[in-house]
Amino acid sequence: GAVVSQHPSRVICKSGTSVKIECRSLDFQATTMFWYRQFPKQSLMLMATSNEGSKATYEQGVEKDKFLINHASLTLSTLTVTSAHPEDSSFYICSARDERGTDTQYFGPGTRLTVL
Amino acid sequence: GQQLNQSPQSMFIQEGEDVSMNCTSSSIFNTWLWYKQDPGEGPVLLIALYKAGELTSNGRLTAQFGITRKDSFLNISASIPSDVGIYFCAGQPRGGSEKLVFGKGTKLTVNP
Repeated sequence: GAVVSQHPSRVICKSGTSVKIECRSLDFQATTMFWYRQFPKQSLMLMATSNEGSKATYEQGVEKDKFLINHASLTLSTLTVTSAHPEDSSFYICSARDERGTDTQYFGPGTRLTVL
Repeated sequence: GQQLNQSPQSMFIQEGEDVSMNCTSSSIFNTWLWYKQDPGEGPVLLIALYKAGELTSNGRLTAQFGITRKDSFLNISASIPSDVGIYFCAGQPRGGSEKLVFGKGTKLTVNP
């Protein structure tokens, strides 16, 4: 199989605090993971590509100092939303690329972030 | 940038009916993927297509990778209430980019 988990599934925080979201590939290794953001009733918007052992690649318009990405191992990538504000409230979804054959991306269940 | 045009935007059908949705692009794609997303969940992979002309089935679902590499369709036969959700097409553009381009989704409602 190809299972991707995310933790936490839901988080509520106060403005100005930082929140860390974990993305794990449970039964395969992934040198590349992706972080997406999804607004209500919209499609997924790619934020950044997370590369194990190197810096993440951010999409245009995404602040790298605001959304810190660390790909510490072949099965774990973390996204930290720093100094969160209400406009950062969203559904954050990660995916991991299964490199065992077809490079297909499998998605995590998502994290609902609410900033008060 | 590259875009995928997914249609229809929404569908309302009766249980037992067949459904068809498609995605088109002006660019060539190496891979086409179809995902289903339930509310509050991440997208779940339904079918992956890797070769032009490829026709692949997964239970009641059938998808095809267009010959021109610029389109794909997904059919669902004999729909059931649990088919409700949002269906996204996604493509990996030619050129080696590992990023996926997503369609805007088709929201499917199945009336019992």
